[in-house]
Amino acid sequence: DAGVTQSPTHLIKTRGQQVTLRCSPKSGHDTVSWYQQALGQGPQFIFQYYEEEERQRGNFPDRFSGHQFPNYSSELNVNALLLGDSALYLCASSWERDRGRYDSPLHFGNGTRLTVT
Amino acid sequence: KNQVEQSPQSLIILEGKNCTLQCNYTVSPFSNLRWYKQDTGRGPVSLTIMTFSENTKSNGRYTATLDADTKQSSLHITASQLSDSASYICVVSGDSNYQLIWGAGTKLIIKP
Repeated sequence: DAGVTQSPTHLIKTRGQQVTLRCSPKSGHDTVSWYQQALGQGPQFIFQYYEEEERQRGNFPDRFSGHQFPNYSSELNVNALLLGDSALYLCASSWERDRGRYDSPLHFGNGTRLTVT
Repeated sequence: KNQVEQSPQSLIILEGKNCTLQCNYTVSPFSNLRWYKQDTGRGPVSLTIMTFSENTKSNGRYTATLDADTKQSSLHITASQLSDSASYICVVSGDSNYQLIWGAGTKLIIKP
């Protein structure tokens, strides 16, 4: 049973560039959420995708955008990179029909470490 | 303002000892509280999930407690092992499972 997989594992970009991160959800999951985790901090919610649409969004600028494909995989795009975008980007997947269940945990990938220089 | 605060920020203990991590929250409405373990450079892994009606929940050597009246939770680790070295993050859910308020975590280091 494949868990959540993210690629690449590490990435180095320069300021102003654009980056695309990828996520394949756990088998059977149809909802994908993206988080940004700065060093020493808890994850910050970026947005969530379900049925190929952005359903919820955290307090992130429009430079952060995403996409979900028919196979439920997802991409996170960040334009005009800033030094402050350096972080671990985590993808979490879940099953929509578990949404109302309090005991349904999110399943996380191991993240993409993005360094902006 | 919805907030989750954890203490201590970091903790070093010897292998085999017990420890307790604290979490205070001001999230309202409250749905559930979760503890996650995050190894360095890895994604968080769920340890326990509790609703307001649950006072305690165990997962092996990990025992979480919840006092919904005082809005406090603790995570107790018994007979610590080197593999317990990680960050432990308290997460509180508001009125839906996906409105999660994350604490900054407690970094636990187990020394041999």
